[in-house]
Amino acid sequence: DSGVTQTPKHLITATGQRVTLRCSPRSGDLSVYWYQQSLDQGLQFLIQYYNGEERAKGNILERFSAQQFPDLHSELNLSSLELGDSALYFCASSRVLGEKLFFGSGTQLSVL
Amino acid sequence: KNEVEQSPQNLTAQEGEFITINCSYSVGISALHWLQQHPGGGIVSLFMLSSGKKKHGRLIATINIQEKHSSLHITASHPRDSAVYICAVILLSGAQKLVFGQGTRLTINP
Repeated sequence: DSGVTQTPKHLITATGQRVTLRCSPRSGDLSVYWYQQSLDQGLQFLIQYYNGEERAKGNILERFSAQQFPDLHSELNLSSLELGDSALYFCASSRVLGEKLFFGSGTQLSVL
Repeated sequence: KNEVEQSPQNLTAQEGEFITINCSYSVGISALHWLQQHPGGGIVSLFMLSSGKKKHGRLIATINIQEKHSSLHITASHPRDSAVYICAVILLSGAQKLVFGQGTRLTINP
C-alpha cells in the first residue's frame, strides 16, 4: 500500500459527461501529480501541484482541470468527455519536489 | 523521435537469468525514475537517481549523465519480476515534468 488513495477505482460514463477523480496523497506529502495512461499513448504527465499551487503542466487538455485543496487532496475534473479520454488515470505524491514518487492504484475511466 | 527510448520493448527470459533493461534520453534531466507496473496496473517507484548507481535487493540501477543513458539490472530473476518496467526522466527545465519511456514488458518463465 503506497498510502496514496484514489477514488473511484472504476468509472463508466457517457460521451459529453463530466467526472471528478479524487486523490488523497500520503500523509505529509505536499506535491501531487496526475498522469494519464492510455493504450496508444502510454503514460503521460498531466499536471502537478505543490502545497496548493500549480507547478507544472503537461499534455493536459483544456477540457480537463485540476486543483489541490488546503487539506492537500486533489481533484481532476474531466468534462465534455470523448471516447478517447478512456484511460487509466494515476495520481502520485511526493514529500517535496523532486523526491521519490508514490502512486495511487489509479482510476479506470471508460467513456461509452 | 521520443525523448526517452527504452530497449528492449519486450523481453522473455528464464528464471535465474540476469536481466538488463536500457533507457536512453535526448534531453537534459535532473533525475531519472525507474518504475514497475504489474499486470494489475499499480505502479511502484523502484529507484530515483541523478548519478551513479543504486541497489535494492536484486535490483540495480545505474545512470551515466554524460552519455544520457541508464540501465536497470535484475539479478537471479524470478517469475514475480514479470512486469512492465518504465523509465521516466525529470526535465531540467525547472518544472517537475516527467517524460516517460514506452516501457519494457518483462516475462520471466519458471
